[in-house]
Amino acid sequence: EVQLVQSGAEVKKPGESLKISCKGSGYSFTTYWIGWVRQMPGKGLEWMGIIHPSDSDTRYSPSFQGQVTISADKSISTAYLQWSSLKASDTAMYYCARHLSADIVDPFDIWGQGTMITVSS
Amino acid sequence: DIVMTQSPDSLAVSLGERATINCKSSQSVLYSSNTKNYLAWYQQKPGQPPKLLIYWASTRESGVPDRFSGSGSGTDFTLTIGSLQAEDVAVYYCQQYYSPPLTFGQGTTVAIK
Repeated sequence: EVQLVQSGAEVKKPGESLKISCKGSGYSFTTYWIGWVRQMPGKGLEWMGIIHPSDSDTRYSPSFQGQVTISADKSISTAYLQWSSLKASDTAMYYCARHLSADIVDPFDIWGQGTMITVSS
Repeated sequence: DIVMTQSPDSLAVSLGERATINCKSSQSVLYSSNTKNYLAWYQQKPGQPPKLLIYWASTRESGVPDRFSGSGSGTDFTLTIGSLQAEDVAVYYCQQYYSPPLTFGQGTTVAIK
């Protein structure tokens, strides 16, 4: 079964760092782009960026460039999303998702279950 | 960035009736070299991740019931639920994948009347 399994929910304080993960299985992890999508409470979907696990080629939305870092470790079929200094406004559900094909521009056909990040003092 | 605008924001439809959601992009998402529209539709039920329903504007993803259909080209697109079922209550999003950032519409909530 093709699946993406994300790390668990986190509660952090403003200014803290965080790295969440997304582990792929059931397919060739290095073939497909993996992306991250933010969903703030009660709001819509926001595309944050994508990474190609084979060479870590990464593209960011301008809205998220410099705010987060997307990375991947192909040896363990895992992608990451990290923050160096969290803000309360980072409170949201974060989904990882896989592209439908090997193309850089593609919809997401496989989604992780989501990781809820709560940032509060 | 390409801005995606959905209408309406919400709608209520009787069981068995048709539901229609519109999506408009701020620029064409039709790639002339392959005549494909880089437009997808997703369904998100409460507490669940989104699910891909349709891509290339009108191609149903495997396993998606045929009551879901997509149409349109260029800048104007439509998702139609041919005969609304109780399990179709959800928020629906369009997404352009023509050029990064691959933006989503704001979502349309479908409820039962």
